[in-house]
Amino acid sequence: DTAVSQTPKYLVTQMGNDKSIKCEQNLGHDTMYWYKQDSKKFLKIMFSYNNKELIINETVPNRFSPKSPDKAHLNLHINSLELGDSAVYFCASSQLRSRPSGANVLTFGAGSRLTVL
Amino acid sequence: SQQGEEDPQALSIQEGENATMNCSYKTSINNLQWYRQNSGRGLVHLILIRSNEREKHSGRLRVTLDTSKKSSSLLITASRAADTASYFCATHGGSGNTPLVFGKGTRLSVIA
Repeated sequence: DTAVSQTPKYLVTQMGNDKSIKCEQNLGHDTMYWYKQDSKKFLKIMFSYNNKELIINETVPNRFSPKSPDKAHLNLHINSLELGDSAVYFCASSQLRSRPSGANVLTFGAGSRLTVL
Repeated sequence: SQQGEEDPQALSIQEGENATMNCSYKTSINNLQWYRQNSGRGLVHLILIRSNEREKHSGRLRVTLDTSKKSSSLLITASRAADTASYFCATHGGSGNTPLVFGKGTRLSVIA
């Protein structure tokens, strides 16, 4: 039973297209994240939602728009795709509240590899 | 800004040997975590050490933390081929709204 699941696992598309990646977690966590991992394996936070509320929004182009319909889902929509958007996008979740201060352990999905041609 | 920097970038050892990876960070932290990433998979949490702890063990893993030097090390004893993966340190700066910041990782290859 997958804890954090992302779809699709692979996505190949042309420049200029719009695409979405979906994420769902069944852990009952209150916080979800999107991270981007580039070709050099550097993992960078993009967004974080806590109970459907945006709490972290790093410097990400406006073409990226996250949506959280409920606390178990966090989707990522990308408009006007560019070559530089090619990367692996990871969804993660954690239980932020009701934890000892700072004990924010993330559970990751398997990743969605986006290739923009 | 990126906090964790792992060292070395890549490490290749024989099965049965110990592997040591280091992580340095820049600012004050609440805790430091280590994650493993197998090729083509997501990251998996290994161990968390709090800022008031100096050493922690979990099975074949040993983590140390030196807040005065802003550094941590991960030791994997008696390595196995299955330990081949990338290992990332991640730091958490404070309040719940601060993100977990990852380093660039150490690529460990354990040769059978």
